[in-house]
Amino acid sequence: DAKTTQPPSMDCAEGRAANLPCNHSTISGNEYVYWYRQIHSQGPQYIIHGLKNNETNEMASLIITEDRKSSTLILPHATLRDTAVYYCIVRVPNMRFGAGTRLTVKP
Amino acid sequence: SQTIHQWPATLVQPVGSPLSLECTVEGTSNPNLYWYRQAAGRGLQLLFYSVGIGQISSEVPQNLSASRPQDRQFILSSKKLLLSDSGFYLCAWSVLLRGNTEAFFGQGTRLTVV
Repeated sequence: DAKTTQPPSMDCAEGRAANLPCNHSTISGNEYVYWYRQIHSQGPQYIIHGLKNNETNEMASLIITEDRKSSTLILPHATLRDTAVYYCIVRVPNMRFGAGTRLTVKP
Repeated sequence: SQTIHQWPATLVQPVGSPLSLECTVEGTSNPNLYWYRQAAGRGLQLLFYSVGIGQISSEVPQNLSASRPQDRQFILSSKKLLLSDSGFYLCAWSVLLRGNTEAFFGQGTRLTVV
């Protein structure tokens, strides 16, 4: 299974962009990159996914490197409510999650 | 629209008692179904997943079991709970859409074994 590596924690100032990296060097050609976040005591929330092109939706942007070995989730204007643990996964159907990145948005 | 129901939201059970958590999905057919557990302050641990009725894959050997009696029903069970079974249990589903797999989570069951 493709394994992901993320930094354990990051801080971001409110209103600034939060850039969350993920390494997935063993990703195979047909595997998608998914991002979820989990706010304390709630179920994970889907954010965005992509295969090889950059993607943008109302929540975030996803930048995938040309070799697909890494990606970055971008929250363009972080708010205090974006404080959460962010997970990057690349394997389905068994969907194993790593430890994720704990993002703290500070005022 | 697709929805996922997971109950109960909270549960307190004594050590050695049985457990049954149920998860149902509406608005889709033949989904992949998952059970996860999250200990306090820890990440999500995949326990079981199922790609079809009666098809269960176990990720971690333990005193828990899972069953899928119907296409959109996934049940997590234990005959005798241990203190270490306390945690936040999440059900999730995914289905192949337009060449890739969307996945969505329930709101979870917080289990405390006392």
